[in-house]
This record gives sequence, structure tokens and C-alpha cells, in this order.
Amino acid sequence: GDSVTQMEGPVTLSEEAFLTINCTYTATGYPSLFWYVQYPGEGLQLLLKATKADDKGSNKGFEATYRKETTSFHLEKGSVQVSDSAVYFCALSASSSASKIIFGSGTRLSIRP
Amino acid sequence: GAVVSQHPSRVICKSGTSVKIECRSLDFQATTMFWYRQFPKQSLMLMATSNEGSKATYEQGVEKDKFLINHASLTLSTLTVTSAHPEDSSFYICSASPGLSGGPSSYEQYFGPGTRLTVT
Repeated sequence: GDSVTQMEGPVTLSEEAFLTINCTYTATGYPSLFWYVQYPGEGLQLLLKATKADDKGSNKGFEATYRKETTSFHLEKGSVQVSDSAVYFCALSASSSASKIIFGSGTRLSIRP
Repeated sequence: GAVVSQHPSRVICKSGTSVKIECRSLDFQATTMFWYRQFPKQSLMLMATSNEGSKATYEQGVEKDKFLINHASLTLSTLTVTSAHPEDSSFYICSASPGLSGGPSSYEQYFGPGTRLTVT
């Protein structure tokens, strides 16, 4: 079945460091891909998404490119801030219709001042 | 726009009692709502999908008689945990999708802030 694999955390970085969180997926067809962020004590927020191959999603300085050839959707940010500390979930949705989202295991990110 | 609320945000109940969690789409009509469960430091696991006016579809391994889901209107879905036990303690998150109700992001899921259930 469809699945998402993302790098295990926790990831600890210093402020202004470069961030990469790896995510790969297995799916039939052409899924939509997402990154969600969960700040401490809060629910999930959509961070960015891409719906077809080579699309780049971006938001708040984060970006990820839908790579069909490598089945990847790695999250990157050039200079992280303390406020970026959160848990990040890579996810996929199998089709464009209202279908279930399959989440990766989540990566906890901590940024040191 | 696309705000989803959950009530209560936290609830503590005694073992053997039932507890109801509400999920509301505040500024859009949700054709489809989803209920997830999240264990500490783990990912979200889909429990069930509900479409307004019809019975919920439960994921494999989820007891439908224990986790009662009602989606009686386009803005409200409820999850009732019946005869709760300590192992039901978890973070329950709902999401809502406009679906056929229309809009540019018709099939995107908008998540509620979650409800933390503690069963003593």
C-alpha cells in the first residue's frame, strides 16, 4: 500500500543553519504531497504542498520539490529560526478527491538560539 | 478562512464513561470529515472518514461500536468514545474537507487543533 518514510528525529540545529528533512514515498498513480507542521500543543497546519511532478511548494522560507524519479519530497530551509521548532510531517494523498492522507512518522526539529 | 474547531480541547473522564468530542467547520461546509488519533511522539493514524448524512467508514482495526461517529450536518461531526478505558487516552484530531461543496481548495483537508483525552 501507499506509504511515507521520513528521516527520524530529533533534529537539533543552531539558529541560521540550513535544514533538510528527507521524505520519500511509495504510491501508485500520482499522489499529492504535503508537509504539515505541528507546533507544541497545537494541531496540524499545512506548510506547503505539491500536486504534480516537478512542482515546488514553498511557504515561510520552506520549500520542497516533488521528484517523481526519486519518489522524494525533501523539506529545506536556508536559515532556520528558533520559532521553527516543531514536529514536521510529510504526507501524501492518493488522489485529488477528498481521500485519506497518509502521514510519515514525523520529525521533531529543535533550534538552538 | 477554512477554520476548524474542536471542543473540548482537553477532557478527563473516568474509566467506563463515554465522552463526546465535537468538530466544527466554522466558515465553510464540509462534505467530508476525518478523525485521526495521535499517540505521544507518533504520527497520526486515520480512524474513520465520514460524509455528511451517511455512515462513517472505519479503518481496519478501529472498533466502530466503541468510536461512534456522527456527521449530521455540513458543519459538525462528533466522535463519541464509549465505555472509555485508559488505553483510549490519546490526542484526537479531526479534519474537514469542502469536497463537493466547492471552492478552490475543495479537497484539501483543514485540521482542528485536537482534543486531548485522558481516561483515569
